[in-house]
Amino acid sequence: AQKITQTQPGMFVQEKEAVTLDCTYDTSDQSYGLFWYKQPSSGEMIFLIYQGSYDEQNATEGRYSLNFQKARKSANLVISASQLGDSAMYFCAMSRANFGNEKLTFGTGTRLTIIP
Amino acid sequence: DAGVTQSPTHLIKTRGQQVTLRCSPKSGHDTVSWYQQALGQGPQFIFQYYEEEERQRGNFPDRFSGHQFPNYSSELNVNALLLGDSALYLCASSSTTGSVDTQYFGPGTRLTVL
Repeated sequence: AQKITQTQPGMFVQEKEAVTLDCTYDTSDQSYGLFWYKQPSSGEMIFLIYQGSYDEQNATEGRYSLNFQKARKSANLVISASQLGDSAMYFCAMSRANFGNEKLTFGTGTRLTIIP
Repeated sequence: DAGVTQSPTHLIKTRGQQVTLRCSPKSGHDTVSWYQQALGQGPQFIFQYYEEEERQRGNFPDRFSGHQFPNYSSELNVNALLLGDSALYLCASSSTTGSVDTQYFGPGTRLTVL
């Protein structure tokens, strides 16, 4: 079984600062995918970034980067130069195999609040 | 390019009733997954449909059933509603073709059971 742990229920960050959201995972699979989603108060889950277990380079998408440390089973999300619009819930998730159409297992999320 | 759409946006039912939620996938996607998100929790996988068949199922009772149509749209049915079924129900679509793809979510249907 797969498990995602997010230990930060809430975080407050000053606008324009960088922020790191923690995520650790547990799985016995050799091949898996790691995802981060953003959920604003409207409810829709917005895909941010993906990292495959065999990818040696950390994934980056604009201001988002995923700090993947396989030996430590961590997949932290880094947001550079935070903006007010980044205030939302953030969920880390994983899937079996390196395919996004496998079922996703989510963590409990981190509520990020950006302070002007 | 239309994204994932869901209907209705909100729904109020009473215990024991039945409900049907609907989802249209993103253009080009052939797989639909359903998730239940209780207040303050992360989404939990209910089941996934591909080629009109249930492909994977999470740890949900048989009261939860689904269907996929030839145009890839999908329905989630919940019978004998319980208070604990109150949640945000999210539909996600993805593709089995091509390289790595992710699941794209709709805006959700918020179900309240009284």
